[in-house]
Amino acid sequence: KAGVTQTPRYLIKTRGQQVTLSCSPISGHRSVSWYQQTPGQGLQFLFEYFSETQRNKGNFPGRFSGRQFSNSRSEMNVSTLELGDSALYLCASRSRNYGYTFGSGTRLTVV
Amino acid sequence: DQQVKQNSPSLSVQEGRISILNCDYTNSMFDYFLWYKKYPAEGPTFLISISSIKDKNEDGRFTVFLNKSAKHLSLHIVPSQPGDSAVYFCAASGNEKLTFGTGTRLTIIP
Repeated sequence: KAGVTQTPRYLIKTRGQQVTLSCSPISGHRSVSWYQQTPGQGLQFLFEYFSETQRNKGNFPGRFSGRQFSNSRSEMNVSTLELGDSALYLCASRSRNYGYTFGSGTRLTVV
Repeated sequence: DQQVKQNSPSLSVQEGRISILNCDYTNSMFDYFLWYKKYPAEGPTFLISISSIKDKNEDGRFTVFLNKSAKHLSLHIVPSQPGDSAVYFCAASGNEKLTFGTGTRLTIIP
């Protein structure tokens, strides 16, 4: 069974730009959630999607958004990038028995 | 408001001895707890979990203990091996999301 695939692995963007990150969950998993990891804040929940609907959202500004497609693949978008958005962005897909499986993440650097 | 806390940022343990990592939480609505191991620039790798209705779960060298009255859980690794050196996160599941602790860096000394 293939794991959670996140693309790209690394990304460098300039302040003010926007970025889109992609996550393909494990086949059959319908829940996809996103987390941001920074040295100062640890792992913070961004949002969770299930069957194309956002079920929960963390405490992040509206510049952070996401969506889920009918095949359960998910994207997250960050607009008007700030230096503080530099982080490792992790996607997790979840099975019915509470199992969260994480991808390897996308390392975003904003310069 | 840090609902899940790991008060020890780092821990060093001799190879072969027991490693004990601790985690405290404040929200009694959490219904499932998990431990993850993480290397830099990689996603967390699931280690072991425990439901809030249990007080112990064992998987090979890893055992997780849950004390609901104290809102405390711990991960025991025995015997500790050099490959166990990593950052360990505890996480609590509730409301369709995971709330993570800040992590403990475990170093196993050969």
